[in-house]
Amino acid sequence: QKEVEQDPGPLSVPEGAIVSLNCTYSNSAFQYFMWYRQYSRKGPELLMYTYSSGNKEDGRFTAQVDKSSKYISLFIRDSQPSDSATYLCAPGSTLGRLYFGRGTQLTVWP
Amino acid sequence: NAGVTQTPKFRILKIGQSMTLQCTQDMNHNYMYWYRQDPGMGLKLIYYSVGAGITDKGEVPNGYNVSRSTTEDFPLRLELAAPSQTSVYFCASSHHLTSSYNEQFFGPGTRLTVL
Repeated sequence: QKEVEQDPGPLSVPEGAIVSLNCTYSNSAFQYFMWYRQYSRKGPELLMYTYSSGNKEDGRFTAQVDKSSKYISLFIRDSQPSDSATYLCAPGSTLGRLYFGRGTQLTVWP
Repeated sequence: NAGVTQTPKFRILKIGQSMTLQCTQDMNHNYMYWYRQDPGMGLKLIYYSVGAGITDKGEVPNGYNVSRSTTEDFPLRLELAAPSQTSVYFCASSHHLTSSYNEQFFGPGTRLTVL
C-alpha cells in the first residue's frame, strides 16, 4: 500500500466554482499535512499546512484533515484561472521527510 | 536571498554518459533533498542529507550518488545514464526542527533527457 494516494485528475472547472482535492494516507505516524502548489514548469511551493484534525482556513483555501479516517482535503472557494496548477498533498512527521501524493492537475477556465 | 538554485536548467545526455546536477541553497538549511518527478507521478525521493557529511537513500536511489561536503551544496551524480532517468529533478532544502513541521523549499528543477 502506498503511503499517500491522490487522484491525479485532471480536474477542469469554471471560474467561481468550489474545488475539492483529496488524499488518503496509510501511516498513523504522520503529524503534519502540507499542500504544495506547482505551476507548470516550476518547483512546488508550500500553500498550506495543518497538524491536527479539523479545518484551517487561509483566504479562499481551506485545508481539512480527518486523522480517524486518514483523509486529507483542500477546498478552493471562488476558484480563479490563476489557481490552475498541480496540487500535491504531502503528509509528514517531525522526523523530516515528506511523502508526496501524485498531485492533482487543476484547470480553472474563465 | 536566492533560495535554492539548480544548474543546469536543461540537459540532454546520451546513454552511458555521466553528469552532475548542481544544487545550492543560501538559507543555512540543515536538510537537503533530491527528488525526481515523472509526468503524473508526483515526487519521488532519491537521496537526502541531514547535514554536511551525512547522506541517506530515499525511495529510488539506484543509478545516483550524492555527497554533502558543505551546508550549502548538495550535488547529484548520475553514472551511466539510462533512458529511465529521463525526468525532472528537483532539489529542496529545509530547516528541520524536531518539534515542528518541515517546510521544504524547492529549486526550479533540471529537465534531463537521456537518449
